[in-house]
Amino acid sequence: QVQLQESGPGLVKPSQTLSLTCTVSGGSISSGGYYWSWIRQHPGKGLEWIGYIYYSGSTYYNPSLKSRVTISVDTSKNQFSLKLSSVTAADTAVYYCARTSRKSKGIDYWGQGTLVTVSS
Amino acid sequence: DIQMTQSPSSLSASVGDRVTITCQASQDISNYLNWYQQKPGKAPKLLIYDASNLETGVPSRFSGSGSGTDFTFTISSLQPEDIATYYCQQYDNLPQTFGQGTKVEIK
Repeated sequence: QVQLQESGPGLVKPSQTLSLTCTVSGGSISSGGYYWSWIRQHPGKGLEWIGYIYYSGSTYYNPSLKSRVTISVDTSKNQFSLKLSSVTAADTAVYYCARTSRKSKGIDYWGQGTLVTVSS
Repeated sequence: DIQMTQSPSSLSASVGDRVTITCQASQDISNYLNWYQQKPGKAPKLLIYDASNLETGVPSRFSGSGSGTDFTFTISSLQPEDIATYYCQQYDNLPQTFGQGTKVEIK
């Protein structure tokens, strides 16, 4: 059973960089067949796709965030990470890491989500 | 970006009722559509992929249909544990986009 777990600060100051890591267990990021994704959900709102990465390092970002987002992968640690720079209060959200099938693009495994609040 | 419009935004139905949610894409997305269930405080759960395929382990009372721009998600007999918000998601074009959600409640 694949499991994903987000980790990182729950509070980030405005203008700083939000950094989260997702640790994958029960399966290898390097096995192929999947994209490793970040999705966020503003409080009480819908879902927003941030982007994803393949184990080879190929990345795909939401154009609305592209100038501020970096997703990276560390296959040796079976982890992938999100960095979002120059954050504002509008970036306050629950951030999910997840696994996306390359074939169906179904997001079949999700982390529990972590709330990141941007506030001074 | 492809806009996904779900309706209704919320609904109230009785246990055993048939529930239908629609999702309309702003352009043709073939069958590149998935459906998710999200319970309060939890991550979404994939129910249907490629518009009509039931994810492994998902009860057969859930189903999906459609192609092109118009899609339907159905719960054939609503159960108390189905109380949740349901989202459609297109993956024809990046960025992947989600509908705004449909909140299902018990009457």
